[in-house]
Amino acid sequence: NAGVTQTPKFRILKIGQSMTLQCTQDMNHNYMYWYRQDPGMGLKLIYYSVGAGITDKGEVPNGYNVSRSTTEDFPLRLELAAPSQTSVYFCASSYLTRDTEAFFGQGTRLTVV
Amino acid sequence: RKEVEQDPGPFNVPEGATVAFNCTYSNSASQSFFWYRQDCRKEPKLLMSVYSSGNEDGRFTAQLNRASQYISLLIRDSKLSDSATYLCVGNTGGFKTIFGAGTRLFVKA
Repeated sequence: NAGVTQTPKFRILKIGQSMTLQCTQDMNHNYMYWYRQDPGMGLKLIYYSVGAGITDKGEVPNGYNVSRSTTEDFPLRLELAAPSQTSVYFCASSYLTRDTEAFFGQGTRLTVV
Repeated sequence: RKEVEQDPGPFNVPEGATVAFNCTYSNSASQSFFWYRQDCRKEPKLLMSVYSSGNEDGRFTAQLNRASQYISLLIRDSKLSDSATYLCVGNTGGFKTIFGAGTRLFVKA
């Protein structure tokens, strides 16, 4: 039962570097999401997708990009990393958008120095 | 005002105690609500959905009060394993799912 899998689990980036956070799910969910969680804060939605080929911005999209070429994969791209992007990133998926459980990956802890 | 607000705690309670958390929401269009549990350095996991009629699952009871725009979570007979952060979640429909900052609970022997 893989569920939602994120890689890497930890990463340290230097300011200005770029990286891609990988997310894949094996539950055939159409809806996928990227959140970030800063210490002592709730989760903030970065981007979401309602299906392959369709993505849209959430609350805090600046500095990030996503793509959704398949139902399973939803990578998050950080361009020109900044210290403000130091956070824990969670990928999630759900069968529907309302009244249904969102399943989360284990998170990626990113530090930008 | 935040869309979903919770008392951050921490709540420190002894084993066997009853503890209650409240969460207020500002958007009256919010349609569905949930409580998620998040263990330290782990991903959030669904604890229970919240219905207007109330929802009970073992030692856990969730209530929704639309008139006052708050939801609650009651934990009876607290266990050490209940120690975690409890996230209040509201959905206004579509994809706007708002997470509260969480309430930390410590249950002590």
